[in-house]
Amino acid sequence: KAGVTQTPRYLIKTRGQQVTLSCSPISGHRSVSWYQQTPGQGLQFLFEYFSETQRNKGNFPGRFSGRQFSNSRSEMNVSTLELGDSALYLCASSLAWDRVVRNTEAFFGQGTRLTVV
Amino acid sequence: KNEVEQSPQNLTAQEGEFITINCSYSVGISALHWLQQHPGGGIVSLFMLSSGKKKHGRLIATINIQEKHSSLHITASHPRDSAVYICAVKGDSNYQLIWGAGTKLIIKP
Repeated sequence: KAGVTQTPRYLIKTRGQQVTLSCSPISGHRSVSWYQQTPGQGLQFLFEYFSETQRNKGNFPGRFSGRQFSNSRSEMNVSTLELGDSALYLCASSLAWDRVVRNTEAFFGQGTRLTVV
Repeated sequence: KNEVEQSPQNLTAQEGEFITINCSYSVGISALHWLQQHPGGGIVSLFMLSSGKKKHGRLIATINIQEKHSSLHITASHPRDSAVYICAVKGDSNYQLIWGAGTKLIIKP
């Protein structure tokens, strides 16, 4: 069974540009969550999607957005990139959303390391 | 004060030593996760706990719900255990993961 796949693994962008990151969950998993990891802030929750709907959102500006497709693959988009957006972006997939099946285990991808210059 | 506190922040030990990493939290939780992150970024889920104790190989995780405290133990530590160990709790209202800052573990041969 393939794990969670994130693409690309590494990305360099300049300030002001936009970027799209992709996450393919484990086959059969319908919930996808996104996290940002920076040295100063640690891991922070961005948003969670289940069945193509955003179910939860963290405290990030509107420049951060996402979506989920009918095959459960998810993308996150960051517009008007800032230097502070440089981070490791991690995606996690789980079988169901916790409000449906309590405490489902999450499986993480390798992450996309975004550098904004 | 952070909602999830881990200690120690850094830990260096010799191969074979018994390792303990602690996690304290201040919010109501539905579950607590212990995760491992190797250099390069990928995160591996080690345990998900809501009560008691779990064991997997040389790893043992315990949780005390009343004291809001969890520990991760590694027996017979090995250099390949060197990684950052992260505690994360899942809030009992919004189910979001709240992350600890991580403990960087180095095991020397």
